[in-house]
Amino acid sequence: DQQVKQNSPSLSVQEGRISILNCDYTNSMFDYFLWYKKYPAEGPTFLISISSIKDKNEDGRFTVFLNKSAKHLSLHIVPSQPGDSAVYFCAASGAAGNKLTFGGGTRVLVKP
Amino acid sequence: DAMVIQNPRYQVTQFGKPVTLSCSQTLNHNVMYWYQQKSSQAPKLLFHYYDKDFNNEADTPDNFQSRRPNTSFCFLDIRSPGLGDAAMYLCATSREMGQGAREQYFGPGTRLTVT
Repeated sequence: DQQVKQNSPSLSVQEGRISILNCDYTNSMFDYFLWYKKYPAEGPTFLISISSIKDKNEDGRFTVFLNKSAKHLSLHIVPSQPGDSAVYFCAASGAAGNKLTFGGGTRVLVKP
Repeated sequence: DAMVIQNPRYQVTQFGKPVTLSCSQTLNHNVMYWYQQKSSQAPKLLFHYYDKDFNNEADTPDNFQSRRPNTSFCFLDIRSPGLGDAAMYLCATSREMGQGAREQYFGPGTRLTVT
């Protein structure tokens, strides 16, 4: 029972272009969403988050969009840089506590 | 820099031989978590401590135990490792529970090999 899904296992994008990563969830009790970036042999690094009371949050090159009615969120990276090549996980938590439910990850490759 | 530290980064143990992984944090966060991540899969929460209160996930095997002797340190004990326990073990912290403190900060992980 995957409550958080990232349907694209990989994404390849040219340097300078936009990377769009997608995430779908099924549990309507989730009210906080996060994106993490993970390099090989390192732990996930927190990138950006969004509360369910918002539909957009922006931090530098990273923007997260939330569509509650569709139970869908996306992460936009503009412009993409080679250092952005990593695995990106979306995660969700509910009001009951901090437990994070992770998606399966999307591997991003930014080509110079 | 405030951070989450995990030692060792790589651990090899024999089938059935108890092993302990350690995590320390300089963030002074109240909550500490242990996750298991097998290759190409999402991290799976094993348990967490809120201060001294231990919270076990329902599907965490009894083979996995944890100790938190103080705010800074947390240990993961695997009493009798099986081949299926080979994985990356991630420690994470968060400042508090609930609204406004949902972000978790991860250590680099310990990769456990069972021979």
